[in-house]
Amino acid sequence: GAGVSQSPSNKVTEKGKDVELRCDPISGHTALYWYRQSLGQGLEFLIYFQGNSAPDKSGLPSDRFSAERTGGSVSTLTIQRTQQEDSAVYLCASSGRDTLHFGNGTRLTVT
Amino acid sequence: GDSVTQMEGPVTLSEEAFLTINCTYTATGYPSLFWYVQYPGEGLQLLLKATKADDKGSNKGFEATYRKETTSFHLEKGSVQVSDSAVYFCALEGGGSYIPTFGRGTSLIVHP
Repeated sequence: GAGVSQSPSNKVTEKGKDVELRCDPISGHTALYWYRQSLGQGLEFLIYFQGNSAPDKSGLPSDRFSAERTGGSVSTLTIQRTQQEDSAVYLCASSGRDTLHFGNGTRLTVT
Repeated sequence: GDSVTQMEGPVTLSEEAFLTINCTYTATGYPSLFWYVQYPGEGLQLLLKATKADDKGSNKGFEATYRKETTSFHLEKGSVQVSDSAVYFCALEGGGSYIPTFGRGTSLIVHP
């Protein structure tokens, strides 16, 4: 069946521009996570959505980062006024029970 | 808070060699433990898991045993193949937090 889909797969942007990253989770999965993967740093938790509950935003590194999840399905991660240190792979995962299913990620490069 | 520590890579082996990737954790409560694998250009996928002490997870010839006394979940494989070349992540969930916590990942390179 269809897995977690992320778009775009690659994004190059200029410093100071805003970017939107999209995640389409597996149908029926109520939990959705965003992580950031930087070289040599492992996976850094950003934000967690569970059903209709208020999201856990405790991992967002600054107020330039925000995310929403519409209708309990598709999620968008927005980074405003991008900085070079935002360059990383942004991973989305969804979960129905106890196993995470990851998308292939969006590689963001800020020049 | 919860944390996972993995051995640093890269780990470089010849085909058919024995593999061990060490993983230790710190958590409150009784977490479930996981190994995920990330092949080049792909997202992470679950390799194996164990949900309680002394459980052994296994898949594709890989094994890991949940050791509560040493807070460890080391990944092993008796004979690696070139196709096992990937980055391996140890993770826990359900300790002090419901957010899955990952280690930094260990790159494995297997030469023919």
